[in-house]
Amino acid sequence: NAGVTQTPKFQVLKTGQSMTLQCAQDMNHEYMSWYRQDPGMGLRLIHYSVGAGITDQGEVPNGYNVSRSTTEDFPLRLLSAAPSQTSVYFCASTEAGETGYTFGSGTRLTVV
Amino acid sequence: AQTVTQSQPEMSVQEAETVTLSCTYDTSESDYYLFWYKQPPSRQMILVIRQEAYKQQNATENRFSVNFQKAAKSFSLKISDSQLGDAAMYFCAYRSAMGGGSNYKLTFGKGTLLTVNP
Repeated sequence: NAGVTQTPKFQVLKTGQSMTLQCAQDMNHEYMSWYRQDPGMGLRLIHYSVGAGITDQGEVPNGYNVSRSTTEDFPLRLLSAAPSQTSVYFCASTEAGETGYTFGSGTRLTVV
Repeated sequence: AQTVTQSQPEMSVQEAETVTLSCTYDTSESDYYLFWYKQPPSRQMILVIRQEAYKQQNATENRFSVNFQKAAKSFSLKISDSQLGDAAMYFCAYRSAMGGGSNYKLTFGKGTLLTVNP
């Protein structure tokens, strides 16, 4: 099925550990983005990419790295996890000329 | 920078009745898109309805309709004949209509949790 695939769906990390949240889309969308959702805060943009090799920071980028080596994949890296990064993470994609976004199913990350 | 405000953290409605969720936004742009997203307990983000700012007519999708007041920068969602399956978190979101770069981003409100009582 076409769409945005996020893995894993759940993850528990210890403080200081690193991990990568995976995001892949098969719709040839140019624009991909990562959001985090926290209670009472809505969804906030972490990083985004407008094409392979092009990334930029969003509203809350600290503690996260991204890269975009292919159109399909946009992984989010936590280099040294902190309890403040406990959240639900969403990947979303769209393309020029479209107004709607396709969201992944989310990753619930807990940092202890 | 654009901002989106949802002033109702929680709302409740009786099954089969009508409820309106409020959303206001702030922007200096004249062309943009507005969205309502539904997030049920499954966590999936589901697009409910979208509105293009240059269109005067309010968008409608079955039991869902919006009241778009561009001058007042208001974008409320009306749910008619509420069903138990409508219970969810609802997010209002804004996106610029300009192309390129950060203009693709969605700016979200903090959400309204809707409870539907049987």
